[in-house]
Formats: sequence, C-alpha cells, structure tokens
Amino acid sequence: QVQLVQSGAEVKKPGASVKVSCKASGYTFTSYAMHWVRQAPGQRLEWMGWINAGNGNTKYSQKFQGRVTITRDTSASTAYMELSSLRSEDTAVYYCAREATISIGFDYYYYMDVWGKGTTVTVSS
Amino acid sequence: IQLTQSPSSLSASVGDRVTITCRASQGISSYLAWYQQKPGKAPKLLIYAASTLQSGVPSRFSGSGSGTDFTLTISSLQPEDFATYYCQQLNSYPSYTFGQGTKLEIK
Repeated sequence: QVQLVQSGAEVKKPGASVKVSCKASGYTFTSYAMHWVRQAPGQRLEWMGWINAGNGNTKYSQKFQGRVTITRDTSASTAYMELSSLRSEDTAVYYCAREATISIGFDYYYYMDVWGKGTTVTVSS
Repeated sequence: IQLTQSPSSLSASVGDRVTITCRASQGISSYLAWYQQKPGKAPKLLIYAASTLQSGVPSRFSGSGSGTDFTLTISSLQPEDFATYYCQQLNSYPSYTFGQGTKLEIK
C-alpha cells in the first residue's frame, strides 16, 4: 500500500540544523510531488515547501526562504527537508505529504492524499 | 491567500448535523480541500476540489462552495468524527495555505 515513512524524533540546540527524511513506497516516487507541512504545538498546519520528485524543482514558503532546503533521492524514493538556524519557535511536528492531481472538466485539482506520521523536532538549549 | 474558518470550536452531540465554514480572502474557484486531524495523528484528506469526496470517506461528509465561501457538512455526527477540521486552498500552486482549524467537541 502507499505509505510515507518519516525519520525519528530529533532534539536540536538553537542555531543547529535538522534534516528529516520521508521514504515513499507503494507508488512511483517520481510521478508525484511532495510537500512539507509543519504544526507547532496547538497551532494550525503550516505549508513549508514542495518538490517535484520527477525533476527536482522546488518552491518554498516565503516565511522559510533561505532556511529550508527540500531535496530528493530518486534511487531511494526518499524526500528530505532540512531546516537551518533553528530557534525555539521551530519546535513542531513536521509532516511530508504526497500531492495528487485530478482532472475535472478542463481544470486540474491538487490535494494531499497521503501523509507521513510526522517527525517531532524539539529545539531547546 | 488567507483562509478564515468559523467557528473556531464547536460542541455538538452524536447524531447532530454540523456545518463548518471556510472563507478565502480572494476567489479560489473550487481549489479547496478539507482535512480531519485527530490528536497526535497526521491530517486525513476528506474532500478535494471543494465537493469531491475522497475514496473511503463516509458519505455523511460533504463539501460545497466556490469562489470565496465554502462549507463542510457532517450530516449525522458519529463518535469518531470528533476532531479538528482544516480547510486548505490550492489555488496558488504550489504555495498552499490552511485555515486555522475548527475543533469539534462532544457536547
């Protein structure tokens, strides 16, 4: 079955970087884009960025521009999200989510149909 | 594009009909999805393209709307439906945003 398996919880000090992985299985990795979404404690879901797993193109939220890098390894069917210059406000659960596309009439619609279970990143001195 | 959900929280009983609203700061056609999230779990897709039910989601869930105003309706609440619900706009590809969430609690 289709699933996304994320790496384990991380504890980091302020100023450090963290790299979270998301391994896909059950589908052709390069045929779908992957998003990264985070959720701080008690807060809303927050979109961070996206990678086209086929060609490696990326787009990032302006909020994280310059601090976030999303990459992929097609041979391992794995996407990565690296966040640098960590601060306490980056304490959150980080999710990867597959983007699905459907054509209805003349339009294409996108949605996130499969999610990883999340990776807790704690930033604390 | 900003999304505003109302109400932010809601108390209801099993069997009730519940409606949650999501308003976009500008028109987004039908590029809207709804997700359900339970504590400690990842979001689960319920509806995409504003009104299309994801495979496997019970038919008591329905979505409607286009442009700036959207609704998620649960026709008859079941115990497993108590959760937080988020809308998401997918108009500004691929930069998507979420509403602030609506927490649905048992009365």
